[in-house]
Amino acid sequence: DQQVKQNSPSLSVQEGRISILNCDYTNSMFDYFLWYKKYPAEGPTFLISISSIKDKNEDGRFTVFLNKSAKHLSLHIVPSQPGDSAVYFCAASHPIGTDKLIFGTGTRLQVFP
Amino acid sequence: GAVVSQHPSRVICKSGTSVKIECRSLDFQATTMFWYRQFPKQSLMLMATSNEGSKATYEQGVEKDKFLINHASLTLSTLTVTSAHPEDSSFYICSAREEGLNSPLHFGNGTRLTVT
Repeated sequence: DQQVKQNSPSLSVQEGRISILNCDYTNSMFDYFLWYKKYPAEGPTFLISISSIKDKNEDGRFTVFLNKSAKHLSLHIVPSQPGDSAVYFCAASHPIGTDKLIFGTGTRLQVFP
Repeated sequence: GAVVSQHPSRVICKSGTSVKIECRSLDFQATTMFWYRQFPKQSLMLMATSNEGSKATYEQGVEKDKFLINHASLTLSTLTVTSAHPEDSSFYICSAREEGLNSPLHFGNGTRLTVT
């Protein structure tokens, strides 16, 4: 039972445009979400997180939006750069307040020139 | 920043043998580390929580006798895959967080295990 879902396995975006990666979750008790970026044969690298008390968090080119009623979050990358090409995972912290993460299945982003 | 080092990065072993994977926190202490496994094109699945000086906590469905975890010091956790079988072939990743600070979890670069 996949509690964190990323329904788009891949996304292709032109350099300079906005990349929007989506993530849905099923457990309304989740209250902390994270996005990680992963290159092949490497571990995930933390990008940005958001607590359920917020609906938006921004860090440079990366913005995460949280819609609690829809149990949906998204990561916006603008402008997209070729170096952003990687697999992006969203994750929820569960149980609440712990460092244990439930990951989505990932979305492969390709940014082309 | 905090770094988590994992070794080896890649290992090939024969069925029935055991393989040990090390996870080290560099420049910080971690009383808790986490072991994940990732099958191809799937998400990372938490296997167990490694606790310094005490027994690991395993997730449901993970065999503790097959995946032995030892967290003997504040900077080192090891995962031993015992009597490995081809179905154990996977990408194993550990993570840790520098405690006392509002810092995110850091992941090692993972270990690609192939059992022949």
